[in-house]
Amino acid sequence: RKEVEQDPGPFNVPEGATVAFNCTYSNSASQSFFWYRQDCRKEPKLLMSVYSSGNEDGRFTAQLNRASQYISLLIRDSKLSDSATYLCVVRFSGAGSYQLTFGKGTKLSVIP
Amino acid sequence: DVKVTQSSRYLVKRTGEKVFLECVQDMDHENMFWYRQDPGLGLRLIYFSYDVKMKEKGDIPEGYSVSREKKERFSLILESASTNQTSMYLCASSPPTQVPSSYEQYFGPGTRLTVT
Repeated sequence: RKEVEQDPGPFNVPEGATVAFNCTYSNSASQSFFWYRQDCRKEPKLLMSVYSSGNEDGRFTAQLNRASQYISLLIRDSKLSDSATYLCVVRFSGAGSYQLTFGKGTKLSVIP
Repeated sequence: DVKVTQSSRYLVKRTGEKVFLECVQDMDHENMFWYRQDPGLGLRLIYFSYDVKMKEKGDIPEGYSVSREKKERFSLILESASTNQTSMYLCASSPPTQVPSSYEQYFGPGTRLTVT
């Protein structure tokens, strides 16, 4: 069974705030992990991969905890342009491993 | 830059009509995918293809079929459109890769289909 569960949101935060999104996945044999971003009425685009040791890209930090089957995304110093829906995405190993399983997304609104 | 294009941004069809949604990618990717996205349900995989003339069912294939006659083109077909197929349809493509953490799917802009 392949499931990805995310915080329901929405998150409404002021500019400059720090916000964290969480995600859990169902299959311990999962292979790789990502956060995608989807702007309103646009297609999803890769934001960042999530590595076992955790990784940072500017104001964005992603963490992976394989033992708890848990992924997080931290956004520091939120900007208005960060307003979007953030999708937690898992590539499960095994048959059909080119497939990605998407969470339902968490909507973020950054308020002036 | 990878480019995935879809034939229409908006489409309105009547119940029972046969509907073709076309997707073209220009990066010589082996893998192509069709998803639908609905509020509260997220992105769900309908069909995907590993290569020309190859197709595999995704999570919700009922009521849909696909065609991949050329590597760059992947078509989604609604044999007899129904109102519950009103949705946003997104096509994606990806290259094969041996590095799991660098795997990425590139999406087209989507087609918003309304079936009346």
